[in-house]
Amino acid sequence: GENVEQHPSTLSVQEGDSAVIKCTYSDSASNYFPWYKQELGKGSQLIIDIRSNVGEKKDQRIAVTLNKTAKHFSLHITETQPEDSAVYFCATARANNAGNMLTFGGGTRLMVKP
Amino acid sequence: EPEVTQTPSHQVTQMGQEVILRCVPISNHLYFYWYRQILGQKVEFLVSFYNNEISEKSEIFDDQFSVERPDGSNFTLKIRSTKLEDSAMYFCATSRTGSHNSPLHFGNGTRLTVT
Repeated sequence: GENVEQHPSTLSVQEGDSAVIKCTYSDSASNYFPWYKQELGKGSQLIIDIRSNVGEKKDQRIAVTLNKTAKHFSLHITETQPEDSAVYFCATARANNAGNMLTFGGGTRLMVKP
Repeated sequence: EPEVTQTPSHQVTQMGQEVILRCVPISNHLYFYWYRQILGQKVEFLVSFYNNEISEKSEIFDDQFSVERPDGSNFTLKIRSTKLEDSAMYFCATSRTGSHNSPLHFGNGTRLTVT
């Protein structure tokens, strides 16, 4: 089955700096790559996703890049703010209209110091 | 923005007891899921549910687990005879359709502690 590895497990940056979180996956059939943000005591929220026919996607301060050949994808947050502090999860899924069965990475705790 | 609501937020139970975790999906969502996260481990897929039946389930989802939507609103996960290793955060998620164009919305989770 699919295996998703996420690094680093913790990341501390100064406010205004950039943060990069990387994930690798094993299943070449995976073609959907979402990123979720989980704030303390809350459920995970989708922040950005990318499909395998695209190499990069950007939404304001957040971007995701995908290298299908190398089977890795990354989350980039620029101009970090204290409210970006949270646990971030990457995930993968195969094309399947029967539902979204996601395989998650282990999570990255991002701390943005003011 | 509509939310997925889970109750209770924390459930403590003794080994061998049955527990029912409840989830109220977003109203126009048709696909429902349970995921769990054991402390220090990854979030794991348990089961997906559509049209009143299980669509997919993982190997974790054995005969001790069951899901149903008894009254058309609540989506429940039942663990028949809890074990210590069932202690985890259980997350309900829902999506409007089953495709990737319809992302998952997660609830805040139920922390299950089995003693």
